[in-house]
Amino acid sequence: AQKVTQAQTEISVVEKEDVTLDCVYETRDTTYYLFWYKQPPSGELVFLIRRNSFDEQNEISGRYSWNFQKSTSSFNFTITASQVVDSAVYFCALRTYNTDKLIFGTGTRLQVFP
Amino acid sequence: NAGVTQTPKFQVLKTGQSMTLQCAQDMNHEYMSWYRQDPGMGLRLIHYSVGAGITDQGEVPNGYNVSRSTTEDFPLRLLSAAPSQTSVYFCASSYGRAQGYTFGSGTRLTVV
Repeated sequence: AQKVTQAQTEISVVEKEDVTLDCVYETRDTTYYLFWYKQPPSGELVFLIRRNSFDEQNEISGRYSWNFQKSTSSFNFTITASQVVDSAVYFCALRTYNTDKLIFGTGTRLQVFP
Repeated sequence: NAGVTQTPKFQVLKTGQSMTLQCAQDMNHEYMSWYRQDPGMGLRLIHYSVGAGITDQGEVPNGYNVSRSTTEDFPLRLLSAAPSQTSVYFCASSYGRAQGYTFGSGTRLTVV
């Protein structure tokens, strides 16, 4: 069975602080894909990143970075120097090669205050 | 390209009524899914499809039906609406299993 856990329900930071959103996943499959999505207050879901299970390289995109560690089944997301526009709900998701289902965590609401 | 189009954007139903939420994509994606989003519960998979003529159940399929007669369309039918089905519904599609989903803008459904 697949499962994604985002233990942090809500995080509040002040602008320019760094913040890390945690994601822990469970699967028995050896081939799987991990995703992060952003849902701003307007409600749409925006794809941020995909990582497959064979690529443990960390990724950086501007102020965003992702740390994938198979040993701890984690795929954490860090925002450096947060901005008010980063305020949103962030979802981590897992899709395995054998099931075709994309399963989401319950999300972390990030509030960045000026 | 329009991407993933969902209609309607808002709907109010009375308990026991039926309705169909429409979803269409113009990206020739094989994979399509329906999710519902409720406060504190994230997005839960209702039904999904890996191609025309093929559908399967997700995490919370009860009370919903789907069909996939064409690659483009994936309607979600509520057979007899219940207040517990009050939610925001998202349709999504992807080109392949390894690809991220593109989401529609959502349908906010209220059942009274």
